[in-house]
Amino acid sequence: GESVGLHLPTLSVQEGDNSIINCAYSNSASDYFIWYKQESGKGPQFIIDIRSNMDKRQGQRVTVLLNKTVKHLSLQIAATQPGDSAVYFCAENTGNQFYFGTGTSLTVIP
Amino acid sequence: GAGVSQSPRYKVAKRGQDVALRCDPISGHVSLFWYQQALGQGPEFLTYFQNEAQLDKSGLPSDRFFAERPEGSVSTLKIQRTQQEDSAVYLCASSRGSMNTEAFFGQGTRLTVV
Repeated sequence: GESVGLHLPTLSVQEGDNSIINCAYSNSASDYFIWYKQESGKGPQFIIDIRSNMDKRQGQRVTVLLNKTVKHLSLQIAATQPGDSAVYFCAENTGNQFYFGTGTSLTVIP
Repeated sequence: GAGVSQSPRYKVAKRGQDVALRCDPISGHVSLFWYQQALGQGPEFLTYFQNEAQLDKSGLPSDRFFAERPEGSVSTLKIQRTQQEDSAVYLCASSRGSMNTEAFFGQGTRLTVV
């Protein structure tokens, strides 16, 4: 079966620094990916998406990189703020489903 | 509404009781997903609707779980004869298109079976 995994379960960064959250996926047929942010007691919040025909996509303070050769996805957050503290999930879309990994907990130190 | 709305936010059920969880997707969204999220885990797929058609129910853990979306809008996830292992957050998401489009989640319903 497919698996979506994250290299680091926890990440602590100093406020103002850049954060990088990594994700590995195993299904080479996956053609669409989403990064979600989930705060305690809330549902996942859409951050940014990328399709498999792209290598990079930028949003406001966030950049997603996709390396299809090694099936790796990363989320870069610039100038990390305390409000960025949350669990981050990558999700891959194959067929009718989004597959989620376990998540990375990001803690921003003021 | 502005986003995906789920109700109730919290539900406590006695073991063996039936429960019904409601999802109001974003207006006009074609696709609707149900997910189950255990504490400390990522969401796990339960079922998928495209309009009123349930195209994928491969993630439903047992025949006690049933979902419907009769008019292609509001959806209900029903769990019969609840068991303690059913305790989890149940998340609903919707997306505008049929595939490979942004999926937006509701706040979830936290089900606790005692």
